[in-house]
Amino acid sequence: GAVVSQHPSWVICKSGTSVKIECRSLDFQATTMFWYRQFPKQSLMLMATSNEGSKATYEQGVEKDKFLINHASLTLSTLTVTSAHPEDSSFYICSARVGALPETQYFGPGTRLLVL
Amino acid sequence: GENVEQHPSTLSVQEGDSAVIKCTYSDSASNYFPWYKQELGKRPQLIIDIRSNVGEKKDQRIAVTLNKTAKHFSLHITETQPEDSAVYFCAASNPPGGSYIPTFGRGTSLIVHP
Repeated sequence: GAVVSQHPSWVICKSGTSVKIECRSLDFQATTMFWYRQFPKQSLMLMATSNEGSKATYEQGVEKDKFLINHASLTLSTLTVTSAHPEDSSFYICSARVGALPETQYFGPGTRLLVL
Repeated sequence: GENVEQHPSTLSVQEGDSAVIKCTYSDSASNYFPWYKQELGKRPQLIIDIRSNVGEKKDQRIAVTLNKTAKHFSLHITETQPEDSAVYFCAASNPPGGSYIPTFGRGTSLIVHP
């Protein structure tokens, strides 16, 4: 099946710094990429949906100035957590989809962020 | 918007037993229902899915049933094995404008005891 990678797999940073997470579709072109946040033992909460070359659509309650998403190409999307605080510590997972078919949504391995 | 409820939150079974996880959804327009398996610290992986024009789908030891009238769908795992231990998420999605953005349930932690 299709492969989606994320980098880094984990990051520890000090409060106030910004962290960039990359999501890449390795063997296919993703028309849509999704960013999720997952707290321990909880569900996947959609943060935003992005289409290549256009602005991301953020879910209600997600601060777009804090979580900057850039979908610069059909194989790369980035999520930047600006001025990170301890409450931003979480597991961030991206997924990429080919076209509109839901069966083609593939998840990345996730990035664990710990803000001290 | 769509609301997906999933039960139970934790399910403990003996190896060889069957496991059933149930989900309900609120939006009658939803027409695609995937199930994902997520092992600890790893990515969710699609294990089976069903569309609203089908009542049941089976893949080896895994089956999914859908009751559109009642708006609920279930995952059935037979002859469970320790490697089935993981968190399982159901989801429901519909294509407003073709988007198919899934709404996930809260997850069920399945523990299969050898």
